[in-house]
Amino acid sequence: DGGITQSPKYLFRKEGQNVTLSCEQNLNHDAMYWYRQDPGQGLRLIYYSQIVNDFQKGDIAEGYSVSREKKESFPLTVTSAQKNPTAFYLCASSPHGAGANVLTFGAGSRLTVL
Amino acid sequence: QKEVEQNSGPLSVPEGAIASLNCTYSDRGSQSFFWYRQYSGKSPELIMSIYSNGDKEDGRFTAQLNKASQYVSLLIRDSQPSDSATYLCAVLPNAGNNRKLIWGLGTSLAVNP
Repeated sequence: DGGITQSPKYLFRKEGQNVTLSCEQNLNHDAMYWYRQDPGQGLRLIYYSQIVNDFQKGDIAEGYSVSREKKESFPLTVTSAQKNPTAFYLCASSPHGAGANVLTFGAGSRLTVL
Repeated sequence: QKEVEQNSGPLSVPEGAIASLNCTYSDRGSQSFFWYRQYSGKSPELIMSIYSNGDKEDGRFTAQLNKASQYVSLLIRDSQPSDSATYLCAVLPNAGNNRKLIWGLGTSLAVNP
């Protein structure tokens, strides 16, 4: 079955540690996205990538980094510079052309900073 | 500042009734409109997309778009307890290569048996 796989589903981190969230898709989608969701704040875009080896900052990129070395993969690193990293992180993808902007989401990764 | 606004709810309807969810947007040039459903603790899933003025029906769901009034709505007929979720409205503010959807905060729907 085609879809988006995010891992880990739950992650606990100590303050000062970097963590990397994995996102893999087998939908052959060109674009991939990372969103953060906090209670009462809706979805906020962190980074997005429309093609391999290219990505753009979203609205809240500070303290995060990404790479897009393969079409299928778009990992997100939450660095120690992110002031309040505890959140629900969602990876999504969308095709090029017809259906562009129709997002398919992964199951999400819930990060808790202890 | 481009905005998408939804009533946060909760909207409570009895089983079998019609649930009406509304969304307004500020950018008159918006081209594409989406409704996503999100169950508690889960990720959003697409319910409907609509691009032209008027109604679009898919099973028990109907999306309505009025670009002149800058609102898009979602009607759920014969509401079921399984429809209880948060419904997110997303709007693409302009055409071209901009892929930055603007998201509403969502409306919580509770369907009571």
